Amino acid sequence: SQQGEEDPQALSIQEGENATMNCSYKTSINNLQWYRQNSGRGLVHLILIRSNEREKHSGRLRVTLDTSKKSSSLLITASRAADTASYFCATGRLYTGANSKLTFGKGITLSVRP
Amino acid sequence: DAGVTQSPTHLIKTRGQQVTLRCSPKSGHDTVSWYQQALGQGPQFIFQYYEEEERQRGNFPDRFSGHQFPNYSSELNVNALLLGDSALYLCASGGVFRGLETQYFGPGTRLLVL
Repeated sequence: SQQGEEDPQALSIQEGENATMNCSYKTSINNLQWYRQNSGRGLVHLILIRSNEREKHSGRLRVTLDTSKKSSSLLITASRAADTASYFCATGRLYTGANSKLTFGKGITLSVRP
Repeated sequence: DAGVTQSPTHLIKTRGQQVTLRCSPKSGHDTVSWYQQALGQGPQFIFQYYEEEERQRGNFPDRFSGHQFPNYSSELNVNALLLGDSALYLCASGGVFRGLETQYFGPGTRLLVL
């Protein structure tokens, strides 16, 4: 079963515009991570935000987390054609003696037009 | 510093056969997780290995089994292959000992079952 639900399912924007992607989840989490995937290849880690954090920045990326609403958003500013990819949010739960078990949504397809 | 590596990159098998996929984690990482990604879906957690033991398992049948070696590398075995096992299999590594919550993914192995 997939916990995260991304919204919208597909997004098409012009180069230079900002892209906002949303993710909602159902159960309690320890962290939430965003990944990018190009053409069905491996996932590239973008950013991790812990449950006690509200906002994080990394370059052109800004992620927010609202645990009361069980939702997160990823903002990509000044988009580029190279940002065209599928984006996934994954919720992580920590277990003693193990790493986070990640539960992914179905992903958002972002197209950035040159 | 090599990232997560997986082999082979592609594989074609027929129903009923068995397959073994391999993964070497990122240097300094001690956990390996395996995910299955069907076409158009997000990755689904299969299981995670740490200290050569299976620590967590997702909703996958016993046909899916694994192993972790002393050098932290891992294998995923799938017996009695079904057509529905066709997918991209992703390996991710992280570090429990070092408290590394971020998981880094390999490029994946694309399995086609005919």
